[in-house]
Amino acid sequence: GEDVEQSLFLSVREGDSSVINCTYTDSSSTYLYWYKQEPGAGLQLLTYIFSNMDMKQDQRLTVLLNKKDKHLSLRIADTQTGDSAIYFCAGGLTGGGNKLTFGTGTQLKVEL
Amino acid sequence: NAGVTQTPKFRVLKTGQSMTLLCAQDMNHEYMYWYRQDPGMGLRLIHYSVGEGTTAKGEVPDGYNVSRLKKQNFLLGLESAAPSQTSVYFCASRPRLAVDNEQFFGPGTRLTVL
Repeated sequence: GEDVEQSLFLSVREGDSSVINCTYTDSSSTYLYWYKQEPGAGLQLLTYIFSNMDMKQDQRLTVLLNKKDKHLSLRIADTQTGDSAIYFCAGGLTGGGNKLTFGTGTQLKVEL
Repeated sequence: NAGVTQTPKFRVLKTGQSMTLLCAQDMNHEYMYWYRQDPGMGLRLIHYSVGEGTTAKGEVPDGYNVSRLKKQNFLLGLESAAPSQTSVYFCASRPRLAVDNEQFFGPGTRLTVL
């Protein structure tokens, strides 16, 4: 199965950019996702990227995919206190129940 | 639409007790999933279902059983709870056909086994 690794913790100041990184072992994922989990809540999809793309921008979010290095990153511009949460990357295949493999999660703390 | 709901929100069990977690979705989704979330380990898939009456094992199925008798409900059972099953359990669902394969998550059930 796929292993997906993330750093556990990131702290940034409000207004700065945050970059959350993810490395994976299996390059067969069709889609790669970023989910956000706020305290006491379930996961919400933030954004996703197809495996044949290098970059996707969605308002304050920029996703970069380096297939050669099997590295995925999420950049949040102008980070706000409301961005404090745990961020999970996940890889998914089409077919076979469309299962997702999640990373370990990165806790983002935004300080004033 | 309520989306994905989970019952109960919290539960404390003693070792050896049994219980059933209920997941319900009102979005007419074909696929449903049960995950457990443990610190530093992300979410791991326990069981999943691609339709009414069908279930399949995920990454960590041991100690759990599931049933999908109705399309909108996916039940997760613990026959004899163990402390290692202390975790937060999340249910998710998605339509069979979806451009982005997004899974929609419930709010979670926090289970403690003493």
